[in-house]
Amino acid sequence: ETGVTQTPRHLVMGMTNKKSLKCEQHLGHNAMYWYKQSAKKPLELMFVYSLEERVENNSVPSRFSPECPNSSHLFLHLHTLQPEDSALYLCASSHERLAGFNEQFFGPGTRLTVL
Amino acid sequence: AQKITQTQPGMFVQEKEAVTLDCTYDTSDQSYGLFWYKQPSSGEMIFLIYQGSYDEQNATEGRYSLNFQKARKSANLVISASQLGDSAMYFCAMREGGTGNTGKLIFGQGTTLQVKP
Repeated sequence: ETGVTQTPRHLVMGMTNKKSLKCEQHLGHNAMYWYKQSAKKPLELMFVYSLEERVENNSVPSRFSPECPNSSHLFLHLHTLQPEDSALYLCASSHERLAGFNEQFFGPGTRLTVL
Repeated sequence: AQKITQTQPGMFVQEKEAVTLDCTYDTSDQSYGLFWYKQPSSGEMIFLIYQGSYDEQNATEGRYSLNFQKARKSANLVISASQLGDSAMYFCAMREGGTGNTGKLIFGQGTTLQVKP
């Protein structure tokens, strides 16, 4: 595997289900991100992990719970979601440095549908 | 507050012609980076090109170039010699400096580009 991988690619769940999205990066990066992409809206940053510590949480509802067990893996645990949470969830990683900006590399996304 | 504006929801271009996708940004920071990403129908975001606020030269990557006009706060993407495979959604994004902005990319609404044969 190369780059950033995400599983599953598609997920349909009911509002009472609990599921998890998985992201894995094979690039040796030290930061990972979750984004939400809803129809006709810009990508929204949800969570940032740098060196496995959460450094950003953009007022995301508690029904979304991230986990970063190591620098290569990132999870998004989902429970009691709402239909408006249906979206494409993208994971990204980057190599954060003290100076300058590095591009973020994205995975293929998980298309989530909440019934 | 930082903001990215892409005013063209959709664009058409004839194959082999050049096309410019507009992006304007708003920031009070002196240090920032500007990025363009391509998103095909498959969903994956593909990094295309980067311009730093202190870079004096416009960035170029193959058929992609960034027309950076700092005073006007614009960072337009120019695609030369369009190909059918360039049909996709294109996003402009910005990141400000400072340790408090680790990884914080702000995206525009995106522009859908369709290349006609």
